[in-house]
Amino acid sequence: DAGVTQSPTHLIKTRGQQVTLRCSPKSGHDTVSWYQQALGQGPQFIFQYYEEEERQRGNFPDRFSGHQFPNYSSELNVNALLLGDSALYLCASSLARRRALQETQYFGPGTRLLVL
Amino acid sequence: GEDVEQSLFLSVREGDSSVINCTYTDSSSTYLYWYKQEPGAGLQLLTYIFSNMDMKQDQRLTVLLNKKDKHLSLRIADTQTGDSAIYFCAEGPAGGGADGLTFGKGTHLIIQP
Repeated sequence: DAGVTQSPTHLIKTRGQQVTLRCSPKSGHDTVSWYQQALGQGPQFIFQYYEEEERQRGNFPDRFSGHQFPNYSSELNVNALLLGDSALYLCASSLARRRALQETQYFGPGTRLLVL
Repeated sequence: GEDVEQSLFLSVREGDSSVINCTYTDSSSTYLYWYKQEPGAGLQLLTYIFSNMDMKQDQRLTVLLNKKDKHLSLRIADTQTGDSAIYFCAEGPAGGGADGLTFGKGTHLIIQP
């Protein structure tokens, strides 16, 4: 049973550039959430995708955008990179809630982004 | 607004029990979670508790929830060196639909030989 996978594992960019991070959800999952974890902090929710649409968003600017594909995989795009965007970007997958079923999120290993 | 608070560090001797505490503010949270993060790795789900429960036990792990005080704890029995990691408490999703999890800043568990 394949877990959540993310690529690349590490990335170095310069200020002003754009970056795309990729995530494949756990087998059988249809919902993908993205989180940003700055050094020494807990993960912060960026947004969540379900049925190829963004259905919830945290407190992040429009420079952060995403996409979900028909196979449930997802991309996170960040434009006009700032030094403060340096962080570990985590993807989590879950199965959309049906009635009272739990929607537990399982995390991937993350992509570490360094902006110089 | 939502907020989750945890102590930053906990040091215990190998073989003792570790108790990691967490307080949260969102009373509408459906589930409360404990995740473990080892150096350079993603988050590993350890356990969770539904908000209408007060205790859950899973092998060496015991979760206690005091909903009135919005206090959650994770007890690790017979702590081993492999338990050394950062432990995150998280709440959510709120009832009624999609929501991201709200995490604390994490508690660094340090194991003394």
